[in-house]
Amino acid sequence: QVHLQQWGAGLLKPSGTLSITCAGFGGSFRNHFWTWIRQPPGKGLEWIGQVNPDRTTIYNPSVETRVTMSLDTSTNQFFLRLTSVTAADTAVYFCATEGWGQLLWGPGTQITVSS
Amino acid sequence: DIQMTQSPSVMYVSVGDTVTITCRASQGISNSLAWFQQKPGKVPKRLINVSSSLQTGVPSRFSGSGSGTKFTLTISSLQPEDFATYYCQQLSLYPLTFGGGTRVELK
Repeated sequence: QVHLQQWGAGLLKPSGTLSITCAGFGGSFRNHFWTWIRQPPGKGLEWIGQVNPDRTTIYNPSVETRVTMSLDTSTNQFFLRLTSVTAADTAVYFCATEGWGQLLWGPGTQITVSS
Repeated sequence: DIQMTQSPSVMYVSVGDTVTITCRASQGISNSLAWFQQKPGKVPKRLINVSSSLQTGVPSRFSGSGSGTKFTLTISSLQPEDFATYYCQQLSLYPLTFGGGTRVELK
């Protein structure tokens, strides 16, 4: 059964760098669009950006100067890097990819930014 | 950015009710809209894509309609498992944006 897993350091200090890995299992993820979405505690969803199959990226201007997304098709892994984090970046971060007739989501990674 | 406004933000309903949630876009987005359901502590689930296309496995009591700037999600005969928060998302222009959510609670 195809599914996504995520991992990354959950507690960061202000000005630190967030790094999360999302990995796909159970199928081929070549030619997929990959997306990161986050959800601050008690709030709604925010689209952060995506990586296209040709590795081009589109970022939300709200984080564009701090974010890098990349992917490794050989390992079905998708990466999020966010620099200079502040408390406003505290959220659950989800990866997602379109495939098999659905939008497949990772389980989410809780990221807390606190001194 | 395209602003997505959902109404109401909270609604109190009973099992068996018909529920209608509205989503308005700040500019025309054709039919490029999706609806999601999210239960507390869970991952969002896409219910409807391109305004009215029901995702596989989603009960037929869910339906979507609209185009341009006004869209609706209708749940006919609400079931106990439908109490959740619902979000719309426009897929027309980057950055993709979500509505603020509509929480459906028990009256």
